[in-house]
Amino acid sequence: GQQVMQIPQYQHVQEGEDFTTYCNSSTTLSNIQWYKQRPGGHPVFLIQLVKSGEVKKQKRLTFQFGEAKKNSSLHITATQTTDVGTYFCAGKNTNAGKSTFGDGTTLTVKP
Amino acid sequence: GEEVAQTPKHLVRGEGQKAKLYCAPIKGHSYVFWYQQVLKNEFKFLISFQNENVFDETGMPKERFSAKCLPNSPCSLEIQATKLEDSAVYFCASRVDSNTPKAFFGQGTRLTVV
Repeated sequence: GQQVMQIPQYQHVQEGEDFTTYCNSSTTLSNIQWYKQRPGGHPVFLIQLVKSGEVKKQKRLTFQFGEAKKNSSLHITATQTTDVGTYFCAGKNTNAGKSTFGDGTTLTVKP
Repeated sequence: GEEVAQTPKHLVRGEGQKAKLYCAPIKGHSYVFWYQQVLKNEFKFLISFQNENVFDETGMPKERFSAKCLPNSPCSLEIQATKLEDSAVYFCASRVDSNTPKAFFGQGTRLTVV
């Protein structure tokens, strides 16, 4: 079945440093979504990428979808303490099917 | 309102007992999903519904898990004869339809089987 791998599992950064998490799928995806889950909270939808090579920005967050639509990345510029949490990617290989979540990258930011 | 409501927030069951979890999707959302999150990070898809119809149940353990989404009622996830390994946070999520990407997650139900 479809597998979605995410690295790194944990990332500790100093406030102001950049952060990147990578997501790789064993199969070609129709789209990929990114979520953020704060400690003790629930996943919150951040964005969906659909097109090959797509790049989207949300303030300090940059999301990329690979040309082959099998990998994606989330980059945060100049992290802040409010960025702490676990970032999950979730890939779909059908438009209306289930999403397979990666195991997440937990970000901690030291002030 | 614009919130997926899950009840209860916490549920403790003795091994072998039944557990029933509820989810009220956002009004107007036709897709409902259930996920199981074990060990803080690992999300496992369980089942999805389009209105009251099962859309994808490939993640459901066949023997002890069942789920329903009936009209005018909260959706439910029921676990018969719970086992220790069923301890997890169960999240419900809803979407407007298949073309709208944004899924809204509920706060989750933490099930502890002792």
